[in-house]
Amino acid sequence: RKEVEQDPGPFNVPEGATVAFNCTYSNSASQSFFWYRQDCRKEPKLLMSVYSSGNEDGRFTAQLNRASQYISLLIRDSKLSDSATYLCVVNTGAGNKLTFGGGTRVLVKP
Amino acid sequence: GAVVSQHPSRVICKSGTSVKIECRSLDFQATTMFWYRQFPKQSLMLMATSNEGSKATYEQGVEKDKFLINHASLTLSTLTVTSAHPEDSSFYICSARGGVAGSSYEQYFGPGTRLTVT
Repeated sequence: RKEVEQDPGPFNVPEGATVAFNCTYSNSASQSFFWYRQDCRKEPKLLMSVYSSGNEDGRFTAQLNRASQYISLLIRDSKLSDSATYLCVVNTGAGNKLTFGGGTRVLVKP
Repeated sequence: GAVVSQHPSRVICKSGTSVKIECRSLDFQATTMFWYRQFPKQSLMLMATSNEGSKATYEQGVEKDKFLINHASLTLSTLTVTSAHPEDSSFYICSARGGVAGSSYEQYFGPGTRLTVT
């Protein structure tokens, strides 16, 4: 089983719609969680950290469920520019290494 | 946010040659730098972790004699791919983290280096 698993998609989303997807992690000792965004042939960019209480940043909402070991990302009012691969990233605390999920591809269409 | 640069952004080399990739933190001191590799349609895979002034820690399956990492200063780490082969063709990305080792400071990624070995 992979340490961090994501649905690869693609999620085809009409512009203006809401899309949500999850990521599961296997190490219950994981300490920090992040969502990164990666555009084609570019480096990952931090979208948001995920806090235990859940957090919101504009149209993006992240949730953490420690009991079930998953995190989620919800995008409201999708824009064409939201098309990207969203990487779930977990810091297990061991050497503060980040473990990346395979990414979820989102395609927002007019 | 913090800025990390990589050089070169793209390199093509012949099989058997060596290639050096530089990773620099431009506006902060990076106590730890990480080197990742990403093959097409796959996620980032950590290759090694380097702390300034000490030897790099390599992930399982990564040959330390083939991928030489030097982190001689708080703003520069280099990855040298020795005796490159076509299967080493990949997108190499570094990231840098400041703060105290063992903290959970965010990592900032460089723009990546696309290596093609012919």
